[in-house]
Amino acid sequence: EVQLVESGGGLVQPGGSLRLSCAASGFTFSLHHMDWVRQAPGKGLEWIGRVRNKANSYTTEYAASVRGRFTVSRDDSRNSLYLQMNSLKTEDTAVYYCARDLSGGYCFDIWGQGTMVTVSS
Amino acid sequence: DIQLTQSPSFLSASVGDRVTITCRASQGINSYLAWYQQKPGKAPNLLIYATSTLQSGVPSRFSGSGSGTEFTLTISSLQPEDFATYYCQHLNSYPITFGQGTRLEI
Repeated sequence: EVQLVESGGGLVQPGGSLRLSCAASGFTFSLHHMDWVRQAPGKGLEWIGRVRNKANSYTTEYAASVRGRFTVSRDDSRNSLYLQMNSLKTEDTAVYYCARDLSGGYCFDIWGQGTMVTVSS
Repeated sequence: DIQLTQSPSFLSASVGDRVTITCRASQGINSYLAWYQQKPGKAPNLLIYATSTLQSGVPSRFSGSGSGTEFTLTISSLQPEDFATYYCQHLNSYPITFGQGTRLEI
């Protein structure tokens, strides 16, 4: 079964750090670009970052709201995607989803179930 | 950044109705437009990509069309399981953005 499973969410104080993980299974992880999307409580979807595949040199893209604070990375040997979040703010409180980019399809065809991050003192 | 504006933001309809949701982009996005359905407490689910390509397993009552800056998602005959929130998304350039969502309720 093709699936993505996020982990690592929780409660963190403002200014703190957290690392999310996304474990992939059922497909050739190394071939796909991978993304992180978040959703604040009661709000819409916000794309926050991408890491491309090895063929594209693992290059990254970020939304302005997280650039310089968040880092997207991957370990193809572990079929895993990561989101390192530093200098967290209360407005980063959200459910964080990892998603697979459909090769050549320009869309996200597989999503994880999400992990909740709460930034609060 | 490319802004996506969905209309309406809220839609009340009945089982069997035909409904259309519009997504307008602030500039041209070629055909790199996708539609997702999201139910409460669940991850989004891909319905349509590249403007009009139906994702595998998605019922044929869903269809997409459009070009340039205006795109539509149509549900030909609403079923009870279709009541959800729908988002459009562009992948023409960075940052990737989503529309604000359209909540479809009975």
